[in-house]
Amino acid sequence: QVQLQESGPGLVKPSGTLSLTCAVSGGSIRSSDWWTWVRQPPGKGLEWIGEIYHSGSTNYNPSLKSRVTMSVDKSKNQFSLNLSSVTAADTAVYYCASGTHYSTTWYFDYWGQGTLVTVSS
Amino acid sequence: QSVLTQPPSVSAAPGQKVTISCSGSSSNIGNNYVSWYQRLPGTAPKLLIFENNKRPSGIPDRFSGSRSGTSATLGITGLQTGDEADYYCGTWDSSLSAGVFGGGTKLTVL
Repeated sequence: QVQLQESGPGLVKPSGTLSLTCAVSGGSIRSSDWWTWVRQPPGKGLEWIGEIYHSGSTNYNPSLKSRVTMSVDKSKNQFSLNLSSVTAADTAVYYCASGTHYSTTWYFDYWGQGTLVTVSS
Repeated sequence: QSVLTQPPSVSAAPGQKVTISCSGSSSNIGNNYVSWYQRLPGTAPKLLIFENNKRPSGIPDRFSGSRSGTSATLGITGLQTGDEADYYCGTWDSSLSAGVFGGGTKLTVL
């Protein structure tokens, strides 16, 4: 069974870059899964940030696309998220997840526990 | 404002049945499979339903999903206090080329 674990700073300054890593265990990042980031701001619902395939192909949320970069490190079996020019509106619990995405199918079957990132000076 | 519309809250008594709706459009629910997630307090979301009506291994058959046109529905029978959680629908939006979620529905088991 795939297990995912997020890591990264819990506090980021405004205008800075939020950087998170998700370590994958129990499975290979070279599998057919899409590796995904989802966030949940306090008191709000889930927001899809984007996804990356092990080949490096990506899909990003159009509302965040200009600020998001995702990457895969096959040697470490992990993937990462960078979100630049952050503001308080980016404060959220960030989840990494593994998903299936082909044709008309899109869903996530494994999730990390989530990590709270606060944007504040 | 979410692309998919869910009621903010629903409630029912233990042992009863509840349904949660998820309304979208032809670019998302109308032409792509829907999934449903349960987020218990303080925990990560958990996949309940995928491809409209399929349950992952380990999910009891008290949980069911359906889709009709541009709307989807999650059904939960035999409600238990442990079912109190936030429930989210999700799907791909072909026009946006993006994944979208509903705003979430808080289930209270009275």
